[in-house]
Amino acid sequence: GAGVSQSPRYKVAKRGQDVALRCDPISGHVSLFWYQQALGQGPEFLTYFQNEAQLDKSGLPSDRFFAERPEGSVSTLKIQRTQQEDSAVYLCASSLASQGGYEQYFGPGTRLTVT
Amino acid sequence: QKEVEQDPGPLSVPEGAIVSLNCTYSNSAFQYFMWYRQYSRKGPELLMYTYSSGNKEDGRFTAQVDKSSKYISLFIRDSQPSDSATYLCAMIPLVFGKGTRLSVIA
Repeated sequence: GAGVSQSPRYKVAKRGQDVALRCDPISGHVSLFWYQQALGQGPEFLTYFQNEAQLDKSGLPSDRFFAERPEGSVSTLKIQRTQQEDSAVYLCASSLASQGGYEQYFGPGTRLTVT
Repeated sequence: QKEVEQDPGPLSVPEGAIVSLNCTYSNSAFQYFMWYRQYSRKGPELLMYTYSSGNKEDGRFTAQVDKSSKYISLFIRDSQPSDSATYLCAMIPLVFGKGTRLSVIA
């Protein structure tokens, strides 16, 4: 089966624009995670879904960031009024397990550049 | 001080060398310990995970956890140029290290 896919792979946005980043997890995976990875840094946790329920959004840096997974499969991370500091790679990961978060499978990421 | 500390490198070794990658952590609540490998412009890929103190081996890779010292290591034996990547430690509750960039020179 296919792995985790993300689209678009690259996104350039002008400051102030809204963007939407899509994640298609591995089929049947219960858990879905979003991370932000700045250049030269490890992934920073943003939010976590178990099926359609968003159980943890403590890592979202501001109320401009919003994530949803309405049917428990595909997820969208939306960033409103983008700022230059939002430039990063946004990684999505999915996991078969309903708890824990180990054994996550990552997508290739979406590289967002805000100009 | 960050919860997880990892030397970013870069670390450059000759082919065939034994590589030692390390992380220290400060939070005793960390339970699971994982190592991910990340190639340039790709997502991280899980290499190994472990729960308890001690060693876990998988092929050329050995993960070591010392909970009393809050120290974890990943050893790579007979390193290959294809091992050149960034290696990230990670812990549950979810925190990643910064990653160590490794280059194995043929």
